[in-house]
Amino acid sequence: GESVGLHLPTLSVQEGDNSIINCAYSNSASDYFIWYKQESGKGPQFIIDIRSNMDKRQGQRVTVLLNKTVKHLSLQIAATQPGDSAVYFCAEKRPSGSARQLTFGSGTQLTVLP
Amino acid sequence: NAGVTQTPKFQVLKTGQSMTLQCAQDMNHEYMSWYRQDPGMGLRLIHYSVGAGITDQGEVPNGYNVSRSTTEDFPLRLLSAAPSQTSVYFCASSYESFGNTEAFFGQGTRLTVV
Repeated sequence: GESVGLHLPTLSVQEGDNSIINCAYSNSASDYFIWYKQESGKGPQFIIDIRSNMDKRQGQRVTVLLNKTVKHLSLQIAATQPGDSAVYFCAEKRPSGSARQLTFGSGTQLTVLP
Repeated sequence: NAGVTQTPKFQVLKTGQSMTLQCAQDMNHEYMSWYRQDPGMGLRLIHYSVGAGITDQGEVPNGYNVSRSTTEDFPLRLLSAAPSQTSVYFCASSYESFGNTEAFFGQGTRLTVV
């Protein structure tokens, strides 16, 4: 079946190192992807998005890479900080134009070690 | 500007009881939706609305009702609570469909059905 999934459920990185969180999607028709950050006890917070006509997009300390050939999405966080500890999950949208078509992955727990 | 406000933050219900989860946004967003988040799973769409007076079912609508009488409010009603509805519920809103612009999430309602 079609799914959005994450390769690793947990990721631990040293403070100051770069983090890479991966996401695989199986629907080649998906045309929009979003990364969210969810801190404990809080709602998801938008980080960055990318459309399928792009392969890279940069924000402040974050970069999203999209490889449509292998249907893979990644989130790179530069110089990871303690405040980056959270669950990160990706979401994909299929081109039907409906909010119904936004599908979320299950998330990766990022832990930043001192 | 409060964003998306959900009440209550925590709730315990007995099986068979009914209740309404409240969601309000002050950003004049057209699109609003309700998700549930269960351990090890991504957010699953329950119901959504593309504007006042318009609602539609998402991925897991059974056992829930919604209405959208105003742009600001989008309450979620549990008709007869069941233990399977124990979850964290998130309300979200965005100016356009969730696939095109940033979605803002509330802080969540943690519901336990005993």
